[in-house]
Amino acid sequence: DSGVTQTPKHLITATGQRVTLRCSPRSGDLSVYWYQQSLDQGLQFLIQYYNGEERAKGNILERFSAQQFPDLHSELNLSSLELGDSALYFCASSARDTAFPNEQFFGPGTRLTVL
Amino acid sequence: KNQVEQSPQSLIILEGKNCTLQCNYTVSPFSNLRWYKQDTGRGPVSLTIMTFSENTKSNGRYTATLDADTKQSSLHITASQLSDSASYICVVSPGRYGGSQGNLIFGKGTKLSVKP
Repeated sequence: DSGVTQTPKHLITATGQRVTLRCSPRSGDLSVYWYQQSLDQGLQFLIQYYNGEERAKGNILERFSAQQFPDLHSELNLSSLELGDSALYFCASSARDTAFPNEQFFGPGTRLTVL
Repeated sequence: KNQVEQSPQSLIILEGKNCTLQCNYTVSPFSNLRWYKQDTGRGPVSLTIMTFSENTKSNGRYTATLDADTKQSSLHITASQLSDSASYICVVSPGRYGGSQGNLIFGKGTKLSVKP
């Protein structure tokens, strides 16, 4: 158990809908990262927050947005969902923001299915 | 373009055998290279992290090597067990010192199956 929690575990919805994925980082970790993993694809970095502020942005679509709250939990909002958004969404957390070295701990993921 | 390529894509070995997974990257400069193990449908778990100046790191039966000159890394698994069946992902962090690690670059992984 990494200490990172994600809810819900599974989510099934229809095209055009909006969903919210939630992540609670490990106790004391200030950075939260969101990743998307489509079938047979590598993990794609979406966005990072550090202590409530957006820190880095990756291949995140305009239909997706995220935020980190004062209690450090984070939410990833996906709107106008398309079939291609079906994927595993992982949240990870780390203690700090620097890259040298700073281990990321991954949550169990949320499996999103768009029908 | 910064890329991480892994080979083979998949591998089947018998329990008790050793195996080596390869990772080639074009990321330059880079800060550190990581290997993760990902069980099907689960989040990745870190196995090793090597800085650019290190050339080997072990974690139990897992040994990672790094050749920064040829931009290659390998993960060697000794005396494989059924529980080693998973995807193994090579991850490179660009940059030399500090900076946000949000732009980690992930390989697509090698899917290892260990058979009895």
